[in-house]
Amino acid sequence: AQSVTQLGSHVSVSEGALVLLRCNYSSSVPPYLFWYVQYPNQGLQLLLKYTTGATLVKGINGFEAEFKKSETSFHLTKPSAHMSDAAEYFCAVSANPISGYSTLTFGKGTMLLVSP
Amino acid sequence: GAGVSQSPRYKVAKRGQDVALRCDPISGHVSLFWYQQALGQGPEFLTYFQNEAQLDKSGLPSDRFFAERPEGSVSTLKIQRTQQEDSAVYLCASSFQGDTEAFFGQGTRLTVV
Repeated sequence: AQSVTQLGSHVSVSEGALVLLRCNYSSSVPPYLFWYVQYPNQGLQLLLKYTTGATLVKGINGFEAEFKKSETSFHLTKPSAHMSDAAEYFCAVSANPISGYSTLTFGKGTMLLVSP
Repeated sequence: GAGVSQSPRYKVAKRGQDVALRCDPISGHVSLFWYQQALGQGPEFLTYFQNEAQLDKSGLPSDRFFAERPEGSVSTLKIQRTQQEDSAVYLCASSFQGDTEAFFGQGTRLTVV
């Protein structure tokens, strides 16, 4: 069984400030980890993913995340927030798809608010 | 098409009514997933298709929910005798294979009144 916990349903930052969105996961098998962004009335867009290899992964729009196995964490960061980053962010986990497919288990999401 | 297309974007149904939600995946994508996203929650898995075969329906919440993909392309999620708790955004995602990146549609927002 897998689960994801996102700490903080809302995070507020000022434009230009560091963005840190927290994600902790639970998985009985080596996880694949994902961050998605959802703009209002839009579908989910993949920001970045970790499968194997380098634990620091870079994604689109200047975001990056680091897989820390010892902490079961996959926090999302961006050095400098932009107004356009305001959206809801979802962390997700899936199992290594030995069955040929993998389903995603999502956290409840964190709404990022960016103020001028 | 350029992306996953879902229709209608919004649906209001009276309690007890049947609804059908459509998903057009990206051309050539073998895998298709349906997720349900309740208000204030993350998406939750409903069902998975590989081509026309429904390989996993473990997430369907009740026997009122039914999904099909008869020709391995377009998929329809049908909900019979809708209840208020069915109100949610229904997201469809497709991928080239089951273990590659899934691309999500914009979703259908279902409101049961």
